[in-house]
Amino acid sequence: AQSVAQPEDQVNVAEGNPLTVKCTYSVSGNPYLFWYVQYPNRGLQFLLKYITGDNLVKGSYGFEAEFNKSQTSFHLKKPSALVSDSALYFCAVRDTGANNLFFGTGTRLTVIP
Amino acid sequence: GAVVSQHPSRVICKSGTSVKIECRSLDFQATTMFWYRQFPKQSLMLMATSNEGSKATYEQGVEKDKFLINHASLTLSTLTVTSAHPEDSSFYICSAPPSGKETQYFGPGTRLLVL
Repeated sequence: AQSVAQPEDQVNVAEGNPLTVKCTYSVSGNPYLFWYVQYPNRGLQFLLKYITGDNLVKGSYGFEAEFNKSQTSFHLKKPSALVSDSALYFCAVRDTGANNLFFGTGTRLTVIP
Repeated sequence: GAVVSQHPSRVICKSGTSVKIECRSLDFQATTMFWYRQFPKQSLMLMATSNEGSKATYEQGVEKDKFLINHASLTLSTLTVTSAHPEDSSFYICSAPPSGKETQYFGPGTRLLVL
């Protein structure tokens, strides 16, 4: 069975400060990991993914995430937050051999000017 | 990047009517599409997997007769909410991975309100 945990419902960070949105996962095989962002009343926008290769993955809008197999984590990071980064962020996992994504409960990021 | 569209973006209907939502992949083909439901301030819950040329696969607890799915072509899947009731009011989102690719691209969503 696959599962995803986003332990923080809400993350607040000051503009210009680094941000981290946490995600841990559980799969039976090798994970495919994804981060998506959702703005109000909109669908999800793809940010980045880890399939294989380098543990540090760089994605859209300056975001990056680090795959840590021993800690089963895939935290989303950005060195300097923008007010426009304020949105709902979802971590998702797909187990090898599976077709569908399993989503975390989401973390609302608020960047304070 | 790959673009997925949904139509309509918003629909209000009376209880007992049926509502059809379309999901289209605009610049790629998708043998598989996914339908999700999202309640306010909650995560996405997978409802069903739409397969081109064959029957959809429904998640546990999702009524297949209530939520009819038709994957008519490699670029179009439709979700029909039959005999809609107020509890069906929700945000419905579709996604599609380009054939052979891992990344799913999401439509903008359809907000359904059943009165």
